[in-house]
Amino acid sequence: QKEVEQNSGPLSVPEGAIASLNCTYSDRVSQSFFWYRQYSGKSPELIMSIYSNGDKEDGRFTAQLNKASQYVSLLIRDSQPSDSATYLCAVGYSTLTFGKGTMLLVSP
Amino acid sequence: SAVISQKPSRDICQRGTSLTIQCQVDSQVTMMFWYRQQPGQSLTLIATANQGSEATYESGFVIDKFPISRPNLTFSTLTVSNMSPEDSSIYLCSVEQLNTEAFFGQGTRLTVV
Repeated sequence: QKEVEQNSGPLSVPEGAIASLNCTYSDRVSQSFFWYRQYSGKSPELIMSIYSNGDKEDGRFTAQLNKASQYVSLLIRDSQPSDSATYLCAVGYSTLTFGKGTMLLVSP
Repeated sequence: SAVISQKPSRDICQRGTSLTIQCQVDSQVTMMFWYRQQPGQSLTLIATANQGSEATYESGFVIDKFPISRPNLTFSTLTVSNMSPEDSSIYLCSVEQLNTEAFFGQGTRLTVV
């Protein structure tokens, strides 16, 4: 059974700090890796996708993928209170499997 | 990304009744999916909506309970049948585009009383 594991949190960081969110997955054939942000009461919003080993940067966000370790992470630099949300890791080959999400709280 | 319109956005339904949720996309997409998100939980895939053929259901979900239609490449419906309070969830329509990136509709918040 495909599994995607995330620490449920909450992860609390002060404004301006780096938030580090982690995710591990069980299915070695997974080829697509995504991070979604979900505000309370809203639907998930895609913020990063990564397909090959290494780092991918987009603005304040950096996704890191290590297929050998079956590990994917998301770094948020200069965290803002508006980044406070639940971050969902999703892993896929033909369909996506979602983790339970990590709640991030950024305090002013 | 595609614009996905899902309705209704929320509903309160009596147990034993059925609710049909609609998902409309502003462009043709190959893959459409239906997810459920129970309170405090992550997303669980219910089924893949296949255009012109029966939906492909995930383990634990059956057609009699969650019939799905996909008459064309821009529209799909999910019906939650014979509802019970355990069906109270957010139901999400999703479409897949380039490189398997999935985008979501606004969701339908269903409460069964």
